[in-house]
Amino acid sequence: DTGVSQDPRHKITKRGQNVTFRCDPISEHNRLYWYRQTLGQGPEFLTYFQNEAQLEKSRLLSDRFSAERPKGSFSTLEIQRTEQGDSAMYLCASSRDDIQYFGAGTRLSVL
Amino acid sequence: EDQVTQSPEALRLQEGESSSLNCSYTVSGLRGLFWYRQDPGKGPEFLFTLYSAGEEKEKERLKATLTKKESFLHITAPKPEDSATYLCAPRYSSASKIIFGSGTRLSIRP
Repeated sequence: DTGVSQDPRHKITKRGQNVTFRCDPISEHNRLYWYRQTLGQGPEFLTYFQNEAQLEKSRLLSDRFSAERPKGSFSTLEIQRTEQGDSAMYLCASSRDDIQYFGAGTRLSVL
Repeated sequence: EDQVTQSPEALRLQEGESSSLNCSYTVSGLRGLFWYRQDPGKGPEFLFTLYSAGEEKEKERLKATLTKKESFLHITAPKPEDSATYLCAPRYSSASKIIFGSGTRLSIRP
């Protein structure tokens, strides 16, 4: 058990570009979550998967954001046409029960 | 609207000086509350889950307590390595969603 893994750890992109992040959950965790965190704030919920089904999406998740979890294993979060306001830490978590275990996050900087 | 408020925003203590952090919430259908620790540049690390008023959990120098409207994280005789941001997160009745507070940045001076 190596914990939740996120890739890349850092991403710098220009406004208008598309970016994709990957999350590998703890093996046998059927639930996977994406959060966004800005400086000085707690993580904000974005979306939740149980196995391959996306069961809940926050209204923070605009139509430029899409998440997938093919085959109920790893997940990807894509942001299209990035804006400077998308600059944040994107965190992934996984769980088998109530407790969510977090990865180290992907820090996105949009120039 | 569901809200979570943590206080103070920042706390500086001398090594060995005990104190408490507060988490107050207005969450309908509460099904427990989580405490996490977050170090700079890292993801939150799970500390405790509390499910009912009156419940207490302890881990090393930390003790978490829960009432109907708030939770406290007591830190006893802290050490510099306890410096971190402490986040509380009430859990909704739905299985998925938890709401994080903004955290308390704790700094322990040697």
